[in-house]
Amino acid sequence: DQQVKQNSPSLSVQEGRISILNCDYTNSMFDYFLWYKKYPAEGPTFLISISSIKDKNEDGRFTVFLNKSAKHLSLHIVPSQPGDSAVYFCAASALRGGNQFYFGTGTSLTVIP
Amino acid sequence: DVKVTQSSRYLVKRTGEKVFLECVQDMDHENMFWYRQDPGLGLRLIYFSYDVKMKEKGDIPEGYSVSREKKERFSLILESASTNQTSMYLCASSPSGGNQPQHFGDGTRLSIL
Repeated sequence: DQQVKQNSPSLSVQEGRISILNCDYTNSMFDYFLWYKKYPAEGPTFLISISSIKDKNEDGRFTVFLNKSAKHLSLHIVPSQPGDSAVYFCAASALRGGNQFYFGTGTSLTVIP
Repeated sequence: DVKVTQSSRYLVKRTGEKVFLECVQDMDHENMFWYRQDPGLGLRLIYFSYDVKMKEKGDIPEGYSVSREKKERFSLILESASTNQTSMYLCASSPSGGNQPQHFGDGTRLSIL
């Protein structure tokens, strides 16, 4: 059973606009969430994280929002750039679960110049 | 920067062969992981290890085994390769303790003919 879900397989956005990628989870024990970015023929690269004690974390153009009551997180990219075109995975873990992460199925973002 | 190196980027093997995928990390991380990535399924955990000579099954261990004789090296073994094991295999490592991102290698694209 998929504990972390990304319901949008793909997303297209114009350069300069905001990209919003969504992720839902089912396990209320999850307390640490990450976003990874993956280019073709490369491994996933860590992008940004958030722990459950916060509801927002920013790093430059990237912001992650966490809504614990809805078991939902989102990644905002502003402004979007063509180099942001990649597959984005969200992942979640529970502190008591050691360092095992559960990954979503990924969203392929295309930023159109 | 953390470096996770997978021995082969592309590998072609035949059904029934025993296949070894090697992974080495250079940051003295305690935790190491093997995933496979398939379209529409995201990253699925095969095996992980918290220490030398220790291993834990992930979500899809059937048909695989692992070996961790040294801290920096984690090997994935396909005992008798089958066509449904054709996939992208990703190795990752992370420090001990919770809430730490995993660092990935560039992956091995394995084809079983």
